[in-house]
Amino acid sequence: KNQVEQSPQSLIILEGKNCTLQCNYTVSPFSNLRWYKQDTGRGPVSLTIMTFSENTKSNGRYTATLDADTKQSSLHITASQLSDSASYICVVSDRGSTLGRLYFGRGTQLTVWP
Amino acid sequence: EADIYQTPRYLVIGTGKKITLECSQTMGHDKMYWYQQDPGMELHLIHYSYGVNSTEKGDLSSESTVSRIRTEHFPLTLESARPSHTSQYLCASRPPLGVDEQFFGPGTRLTVL
Repeated sequence: KNQVEQSPQSLIILEGKNCTLQCNYTVSPFSNLRWYKQDTGRGPVSLTIMTFSENTKSNGRYTATLDADTKQSSLHITASQLSDSASYICVVSDRGSTLGRLYFGRGTQLTVWP
Repeated sequence: EADIYQTPRYLVIGTGKKITLECSQTMGHDKMYWYQQDPGMELHLIHYSYGVNSTEKGDLSSESTVSRIRTEHFPLTLESARPSHTSQYLCASRPPLGVDEQFFGPGTRLTVL
């Protein structure tokens, strides 16, 4: 069964600190993995996207890693800001359908305190 | 930021009412999707469309229906709303070629009393 598991479920950090969010998946055949940021009451917005051959990708203070062998990904946030408070969702796409089927994790709820 | 719009953003209605959630995109994307999301839970695909006059049910069973008469428009209808329909509904679209990514609208938060 294709699944995406994220940890931790929630995280509280102080402004300026770094944090790392984890994602494990069992989706096969694998196409790509994305990290989305979803602010409360809004739709998800893409942060990074990685294919099978990529093992790291950065977008400003966000750095995602991918280990396709162990089917794990992480999202590292550097020098956190209050605006980073949001849910971070790991999304994996399979290669087996023209629909572009996405498998969603439940997200990690990050809260940044001043 | 993608040009995909949803209205209304928030809706509170009574049981038994008929409602239509609007979704439109100005990017000319063929594929469009409706997801349902409860707090703290993952998004579940409830409907999708490959293009005009194409609609399919997703993974999660839903009493809602959709239509795709125009490329840019993908409305979702509930004939008789119930409290169990209370949820956030997210619309997304995907370009036909090249970028393998779905762009999401801001969502509609539906509460049925």
